Amino acid sequence: DSGVTQTPKHLITATGQRVTLRCSPRSGDLSVYWYQQSLDQGLQFLIQYYNGEERAKGNILERFSAQQFPDLHSELNLSSLELGDSALYFCASSVVGGASTDTQYFGPGTRLTVL
Amino acid sequence: AQTVTQSQPEMSVQEAETVTLSCTYDTSESNYYLFWYKQPPSRQMILVIRQEAYKQQNATENRFSVNFQKAAKSFSLKISDSQLGDTAMYFCAFMNPMDSNYQLIWGAGTKLIIKP
Repeated sequence: DSGVTQTPKHLITATGQRVTLRCSPRSGDLSVYWYQQSLDQGLQFLIQYYNGEERAKGNILERFSAQQFPDLHSELNLSSLELGDSALYFCASSVVGGASTDTQYFGPGTRLTVL
Repeated sequence: AQTVTQSQPEMSVQEAETVTLSCTYDTSESNYYLFWYKQPPSRQMILVIRQEAYKQQNATENRFSVNFQKAAKSFSLKISDSQLGDTAMYFCAFMNPMDSNYQLIWGAGTKLIIKP
């Protein structure tokens, strides 16, 4: 158990809908990363938040957005869903800062199926 | 830009054998971190081992060890006494701590199958 939690574990929805994925980082971690992994693909970095502020953006679609709240949990919002958005969405957290803490620990992922 | 290459898309070995997964990377930085993550069929992403580039000693975690060759920019993972539970995708990743975003650069992965 990495200490990173994600809910829900599975999500099935229809095209055009909007969903919210939630992530709680490990205790003490200030940074949250979101990744998308389609079937048999590597991880695509979407976005990073550090202590409530957006830090970096990767290949995130305009239909997707995220935020990190004062309690450091993060939400990834996916809207106008398309079939191609079906994937496993991972959240990872790290402390960010200090040699022994520059490690990302991953949550179990949310499996999104768009029908 | 940094890149990570895993040249073995798939490997299979018999249980109890030793297997080595290859990873090479390209960077002009002298200080960085390297990681191996495994993703079993459950698709959980699990940290296997990490290596700081400034450390000459190769990292070891139980049956997992790395062969870090800084000059050659090579970071291979050795799994000793392989077990059925080692069946997974293995991803090599690079991080530059001077990158304020602390982003990981990922290899494409190697699918490892342990046969009984």
